Amino acid sequence: SQTIHQWPATLVQPVGSPLSLECTVEGTSNPNLYWYRQAAGRGLQLLFYSVGIGQISSEVPQNLSASRPQDRQFILSSKKLLLSDSGFYLCAWIDISSSSGNTIYFGEGSWLTVV
Amino acid sequence: GQSLEQPSEVTAVEGAIVQINCTYQTSGFYGLSWYQQHDGGAPTFLSYNGLDGLEETGRFSSFLSRSDSYGYLLLQELQMKDSASYFCAARRRNNKFYFGSGTKLNVKP
Repeated sequence: SQTIHQWPATLVQPVGSPLSLECTVEGTSNPNLYWYRQAAGRGLQLLFYSVGIGQISSEVPQNLSASRPQDRQFILSSKKLLLSDSGFYLCAWIDISSSSGNTIYFGEGSWLTVV
Repeated sequence: GQSLEQPSEVTAVEGAIVQINCTYQTSGFYGLSWYQQHDGGAPTFLSYNGLDGLEETGRFSSFLSRSDSYGYLLLQELQMKDSASYFCAARRRNNKFYFGSGTKLNVKP
């Protein structure tokens, strides 16, 4: 069966510090991968989308970046965090080639507080 | 651009039926999904409509009308555990998914 893991689960970072969130998917190959951010009590904002290794689509201009160094690994980074980067970050995937290709599967999420 | 509108909050009693509406403006629209999210957790998939009409999955049903750019989620026989936030999400042909701001459902005894 397929699983998705992301880490760390929670982190508190000072303004101006770097960030790295990692996500891996197991049990599938060539998934479409997503990074979303959710502010407290709000909806999910699509940040990045990837259809393959090294292929990243950025949705919103910001001080965040994403990379996909391996087929099932997706990394969200920042060189210098802002207070407005605080939120709940969710990695997600779909397998468009399968019968469940309409379903987004989310990781457990990472709570980021920038202080 | 993409926009999805849904009510911010709905309250209903146990055993009742509640409908959560979603209107969307999405270029390259391909389908509409619904997700449930409990406080502190990740969203989980409920239903998907790729075609017009009604999809039924147990106590949950979802409807789509492409001509009206409108869909809804219908929850029947409400239970306390259904208290959560519900999100509609529009899928584009390029497989990007855009979410609404969510509807907080409060189920009262």
